[in-house]
Amino acid sequence: AAGVIQSPRHLIKEKRETATLKCYPIPRHDTVYWYQQGPGQDPQFLISFYEKMQSDKGSIPDRFSAQQFSDYHSELNMSSLELGDSALYFCASSLTSGGADQETQYFGPGTRLLVL
Amino acid sequence: AQSVTQLGSHVSVSEGALVLLRCNYSSSVPPYLFWYVQYPNQGLQLLLKYTTGATLVKGINGFEAEFKKSETSFHLTKPSAHMSDAAEYFCAVSTGGGADGLTFGKGTHLIIQP
Repeated sequence: AAGVIQSPRHLIKEKRETATLKCYPIPRHDTVYWYQQGPGQDPQFLISFYEKMQSDKGSIPDRFSAQQFSDYHSELNMSSLELGDSALYFCASSLTSGGADQETQYFGPGTRLLVL
Repeated sequence: AQSVTQLGSHVSVSEGALVLLRCNYSSSVPPYLFWYVQYPNQGLQLLLKYTTGATLVKGINGFEAEFKKSETSFHLTKPSAHMSDAAEYFCAVSTGGGADGLTFGKGTHLIIQP
């Protein structure tokens, strides 16, 4: 079965640079979520989108923004990168609009961001 | 608001022994509860979930969990541990309100002794 696709898988940036992470949800899923997992930490929810509208907001820094496009893929834009932004960034997708599997989040493999 | 507490950041069991990973939650509304497993340098894989209905839920790889509302618990068990079960396990809760983010526990690192 098709899974969540994230790109790139690894990214190295310098401080104060920008980064864009991409997420392609499972086909027919209408909701995308972004999480940040620091080394040895639990995943922290950043933001979610349902049908291209922002749905829920967690601990996303103001330097970060995200959007969901008409084909349901999503991008997380990170500006003025700091050393503390080094982490694993996960995207998850779900089908919010009905069905037995609704609201079950399926995670992608993650993008590992290293800020130097 | 909701929260998750996982008792024991590290749990060590012998191969073939019972696995018990504890999870307690706090939620102001009926919760949706999940267990995910994470292998080193990999993503999160769904083990099982409770949304509504039967309180004993079975998942993949022989794991199961029981939702106990009176105890606000959702402990994960497996009758017989296998070496391949060694991983990080996360309990998570959501409000089930639609597109809401998950709140995760701090995780439990499961170690399997040969």
